[in-house]
Amino acid sequence: QSVLTQPPSVSAAPGQKVTISCSGNSSNIGNNYVSWYQQLPGTTPKLLIYDNNQRPSGIPDRFSGSKSGISATLGITGLQTGDEADYYCATWDSSLSGVMFGGGTKLTVL
Amino acid sequence: EVQLVESGGGLVQPGRSLRLSCAASGFTFDDYAMHWVRQAPGKGLEWVSGVSWNGGSKVYADSVKGRFTVSRDDTKNSVYLQMDGLRAEDMALYYCVRFAYGDVFDIWGQGTMVTVSS
Repeated sequence: QSVLTQPPSVSAAPGQKVTISCSGNSSNIGNNYVSWYQQLPGTTPKLLIYDNNQRPSGIPDRFSGSKSGISATLGITGLQTGDEADYYCATWDSSLSGVMFGGGTKLTVL
Repeated sequence: EVQLVESGGGLVQPGRSLRLSCAASGFTFDDYAMHWVRQAPGKGLEWVSGVSWNGGSKVYADSVKGRFTVSRDDTKNSVYLQMDGLRAEDMALYYCVRFAYGDVFDIWGQGTMVTVSS
């Protein structure tokens, strides 16, 4: 069981908005930056969001990140079928002295 | 082009050892910490281990502590993962990942598959 808790799956229609939550504690999300990764089917994970809410170059502004307390959220607007993927949150855990990933959330665009 | 290329995966019997290698190119290797992340078939991502930019600090997931050893050779722009006492639960695709400022995995290799079976 992952230290960071994500919903196993979310779904929405094309063009709609979806949010994916990531819940932790004060040792991880509460005091460290959160990043998000997208893994399209059969591909390598790709950095989507870093420093809680920053997008690397090339990532469209349809993707956004936020953090409040011990929880973080990934938002995706204007959903496209190409957004169907597994999404993972990650952060450093100060008490475990390591990086923690969430269990992953499978996004289905209906 | 920034690139990470893993090698060394394969089929190994339980209890045996395997050494993974990761060759980096396209960036100043000794400016960055390097980590290993694995993904068992059909499962999520699991962080395994990391080594600091200067090799002075090494960290491990509890699941591999005492069995795996991470190292780096800046003269070869390479990072390694020595895996001893392999178990069935270590079977996974192992990714070499660049660890950037802000605790970010910003560059991923394509992965090398480790299969543990008798």
